[in-house]
Amino acid sequence: DQQVKQNSPSLSVQEGRISILNCDYTNSMFDYFLWYKKYPAEGPTFLISISSIKDKNEDGRFTVFLNKSAKHLSLHIVPSQPGDSAVYFCAASINGANNLFFGTGTRLTVIP
Amino acid sequence: DTAVSQTPKYLVTQMGNDKSIKCEQNLGHDTMYWYKQDSKKFLKIMFSYNNKELIINETVPNRFSPKSPDKAHLNLHINSLELGDSAVYFCASSQGTGAGTGELFFGEGSRLTVL
Repeated sequence: DQQVKQNSPSLSVQEGRISILNCDYTNSMFDYFLWYKKYPAEGPTFLISISSIKDKNEDGRFTVFLNKSAKHLSLHIVPSQPGDSAVYFCAASINGANNLFFGTGTRLTVIP
Repeated sequence: DTAVSQTPKYLVTQMGNDKSIKCEQNLGHDTMYWYKQDSKKFLKIMFSYNNKELIINETVPNRFSPKSPDKAHLNLHINSLELGDSAVYFCASSQGTGAGTGELFFGEGSRLTVL
């Protein structure tokens, strides 16, 4: 039973434009959300996180938005760069526990 | 200098064999994990150790046995390998036991293929 879903397996965006990656979850107990980025043949690396007490967190070109009523979060990358091309995983946890529930990832391709 | 390193990176073996994957972290973290990414790209936690103590053991066959000789190492031993064990296994570490206390640092993964 997949509690974190990323329904778009892939996304292509032109360099300089905004990339929006979406994530939905089903468990209302989730209170901490994270985005990880993964390059081929490497492990996922942490990108940005957000607590359920917030609805937005920004770090440079990356912004995560959380809509708790819709059980939806999104990652915005602006402007997108070719080096952003990777697989992006959404993850969630309960009470900040170390059992992260991951989505299946969205492959982002930024076209130069 | 790799923060979380796993060996081997690739492992091809026959059904019924026993194999081990080793993991070491040099970040000084006190919590280590094993995650499995299956063919559907679904990344799921298997085990978590904090200061050598098992704190998470998801529904994993008892053919899988983690061993933590010290807090910098968490090895995964798999007995009687089955076809369904084919996956990429990721080791990770964090400081503290909560995702909210800091992100997980992942190794590069070990791709296991069972023939």
